[in-house]
Amino acid sequence: QVTLKESGPVLVKPTETLTLTCTVSGFSLSNARMGVSWIRQPPGKALEWLAHIFSNDEKSYSTSLKSRLTISKDTSKSQVVLTMTNMDPVDTATYYCARIRPYYDILTGYYIGAFDIWGQGTMVTVSS
Amino acid sequence: SYVLTQPPSVSVAPGQTARITCGGNNIGSKSVHWYQQKPGQAPVLVVYDDSDRPSGIPERFSGSNSGNTATLTISRVEAGDEADYYCQVWDSSSVVFGGGTKLTVL
Repeated sequence: QVTLKESGPVLVKPTETLTLTCTVSGFSLSNARMGVSWIRQPPGKALEWLAHIFSNDEKSYSTSLKSRLTISKDTSKSQVVLTMTNMDPVDTATYYCARIRPYYDILTGYYIGAFDIWGQGTMVTVSS
Repeated sequence: SYVLTQPPSVSVAPGQTARITCGGNNIGSKSVHWYQQKPGQAPVLVVYDDSDRPSGIPERFSGSNSGNTATLTISRVEAGDEADYYCQVWDSSSVVFGGGTKLTVL
C-alpha cells in the first residue's frame, strides 16, 4: 500500500523557516520514474503547487516562491523535505505532499504526470 | 505564466450529468488531470491524461480535452459527488492548478 505522510510544526512565527517532512511507504524514492511534489492550500482557497523532486534528483520550484524554497530527499529514510524561509501569515495553509510517476512528454521535452497518491496534509499556521 | 480558468460553482440534480470546464490557451495540446476534494480531505485523482481513470474511480467520471477547453463529465450524479474539483496541467517543468469548482448536488 502506497502512503505519504506529512510532518512538521503546527505553528511558526513570522520570519522563521518552515521545515516539512514527507515520509513515504510502499514505493522507493530511488525507483526510476518516481517523484514527490509539495502542494499547499490556504483555508478556503485553491491548491497551489510549490515544488517537486524526481528520483534522478531533478528539482523544480514555483516561480513565485523559488527564492524561498528548497526541496531535497533522503532515499535511505524514504523522506522528502521542504524548507520555506521567511514565513509570513499569508503562508498559513494545509501543506500536502503527493506522488508523481512522471513520463516523458515528447511535445515539450519535459517530464510530466498526475499526482496519483496524496498525503493527508498538515496544517501550518504562521502567527506571532 | 499559464492560467487555468474554472467556473466557481456548478449545480446539478441527482441523476443528471454535471460538466465542469477548465479553460486555458490551447489546453488541448496539454495533458489535463482532475482531482476531487471533499471537505476536510486531501484531493483524490479522478481523471488523468485527459480521459483516463485510475483504478477504483467509477466509470461515471470521464474527461475530454480539445481546443481551449477541457471538461470533466460526471454522469448520473450522486450526493456523494458533491465536492470541489480541480484541473491541473504542466507548464514546462512547473505545475498549474485551476481555481477549483464547487459541485453542488441539489
